[in-house]
Amino acid sequence: DVKVTQSSRYLVKRTGEKVFLECVQDMDHENMFWYRQDPGLGLRLIYFSYDVKMKEKGDIPEGYSVSREKKERFSLILESASTNQTSMYLCASHSWGQGDSYEQYFGPGTRLTVT
Amino acid sequence: AQSVTQLDSQVPVFEEAPVELRCNYSSSVSVYLFWYVQYPNQGLQLLLKYLSGSTLVKGINGFEAEFNKSQTSFHLRKPSVHISDTAEYFCAVTPSGTYKYIFGTGTRLKVLA
Repeated sequence: DVKVTQSSRYLVKRTGEKVFLECVQDMDHENMFWYRQDPGLGLRLIYFSYDVKMKEKGDIPEGYSVSREKKERFSLILESASTNQTSMYLCASHSWGQGDSYEQYFGPGTRLTVT
Repeated sequence: AQSVTQLDSQVPVFEEAPVELRCNYSSSVSVYLFWYVQYPNQGLQLLLKYLSGSTLVKGINGFEAEFNKSQTSFHLRKPSVHISDTAEYFCAVTPSGTYKYIFGTGTRLKVLA
């Protein structure tokens, strides 16, 4: 079974803090994603990475950056947290070559509150 | 550009009744289609997917969906729901050959005793 883990389930941070959200997958997937989930808005893509050190902006990258130094790990960084970044953050991984499944595998999510 | 519409934000239904959750999409290229389920305080889990072939797709937990190309729909159905089906359901599409997934806004299914 593919397992995608996220470093924290719940996180409370203060405005202006630098926040790191970590995601690790154990299936050697080349593609990894960070989404934020807000009520009524569904999932919105923040950043995508298709290889180590490679990244592409998603639909809402402002205020976020990412890091992928190892294939299994994809980090989301909030450079200076703001209250409008209070949300559920979901990490996912995916592989083109594994049975052409096209399925994304999701972590359990991190609920971030910025006060 | 692609888009996904889930018109029903909430669907209440009594236990053992049938349910249909609607999903319509818009795309100028061929797409793959998915339904995911999210139980409270959890990530998303794949219910079923349509890549090609038979337009009726069966998934886990007794769910099925039918791809209708002419109506650009991919509605999810279950003939008899259980309390444990209470969750949020997301429809998603990805243009074939790309990484980009477009998710609908979700439908919250509440099964009543």
